[in-house]
This record gives sequence, C-alpha cells and structure tokens, in this order.
Amino acid sequence: SQKIEQNSEALNIQEGKTATLTCNYTNYSPAYLQWYRQDPGRGPVFLLLIRENEKEKRKERLKVTFDTTLKQSLFHITASQPADSATYLCAQPPNQAGTALIFGKGTTLSVSS
Amino acid sequence: GAVVSQHPSRVICKSGTSVKIECRSLDFQATTMFWYRQFPKKSLMLMATSNEGSKATYEQGVEKDKFLINHASLTLSTLTVTSAHPEDSSFYICSASQGTSQPQHFGDGTRLSIL
Repeated sequence: SQKIEQNSEALNIQEGKTATLTCNYTNYSPAYLQWYRQDPGRGPVFLLLIRENEKEKRKERLKVTFDTTLKQSLFHITASQPADSATYLCAQPPNQAGTALIFGKGTTLSVSS
Repeated sequence: GAVVSQHPSRVICKSGTSVKIECRSLDFQATTMFWYRQFPKKSLMLMATSNEGSKATYEQGVEKDKFLINHASLTLSTLTVTSAHPEDSSFYICSASQGTSQPQHFGDGTRLSIL
C-alpha cells in the first residue's frame, strides 16, 4: 500500500532562515500532493496543492516542489518567522487519484527569534 | 471562505455512552466529507468517507457498527461513537471537500475522553 514518509519529526531553525521539509512516498506517483499546517489542538489548514505535471508551486513565502523521479515533495518557507512554528503535514490520495487523503506523520517546525 | 464547524469541541463521558459529533460546512456545499482520528504525536488516520445521501465507505479495520456516520445533507455529516469505551478516547476531526483533487477543509476537532 502507498506510504508517505516525512522523515524529520522536528526541525528547529532561526528566524529569517529558510525551512525545508521533506515528504517521500513509495510505490505510485499520486495525481497531486497537498501540504497542510496543523497547530496544537486544531484541525489542519490547507496551504498548497501541486499536481503531478507541475514542478513547482508558490504562494507568498511558501514554495512546494514535486519530483516524480525522486518520489519526493519539498516544502519551503522562506524568511521564516516564529509564527510559522507548527506541524506541517504532507498528504496525497491513497489510490493515485480521488478525493480521500492519506497523511504523513508531519514535521514540527520551531522557529526561534 | 470554506469554513467547517465541528461540535462539540470536547466531550467527557462515562463508558457505555454513545456520543454524537457534528460536522457542518458553513459557506459551501460539500460533496464529500471525511472523518479522521488522530492519536498524540501521530498523523491523521482516515476512518471513513461520507457522501450525501449514501452509505459511508469505511477504511479497513474501522468498525462501521461502532462508528455510525450519517450524511443527511450537503452541509452536515455526523459521527456517532456507539457504546464508547476508554480505548475510543481520541481526537476526532472531520473535513469537507468540494470535489476530486480539491483541498479539504477541516473542523477544529473533537477531543473525546471516555472514563
């Protein structure tokens, strides 16, 4: 079955630096990948969606890449701020396409001032 | 836009009680709603997919008689945990989607504690 791996459980960086989070998947390449942010005790909030025919997607200080050869997506936050501290989740459909999502375990980012 | 409201946010009850959790899409019609369970420091585990007017599709290992899902309208889905036991204690989160490959919009979750 498809698996999503976010290898780093935690990432600590200094304010102003670029945070890079990694999401690897096994087996098939999904039709799309999504990234979410989750704060403690809250539901996830959608950030970005990237499709298999897109190499890169940007939104303000956020950038996502999708490399089907490496079976990997990278999520970047430039000029990071303490307010960016949260858990970031990578998600994809369980059956290559469709509406349902399976999630990685997430990477908890801590940005210190 | 795309607000999903989930109630209650927290429930504490005795073993054997049935608990109903509501999930509403406030400003859009959701063709599909999802129910997840999340354990501390773990990722979201998809429990079931719910389409308006039809039976929910449960993931492998999820007891459909234990976790009853009703999707009565395009804006409301409910999850009832029947005869809850301490092992059912968890963080339950719902989400709503407007279609395939669209973002999911999540409620803020329900913290269920069974004594």
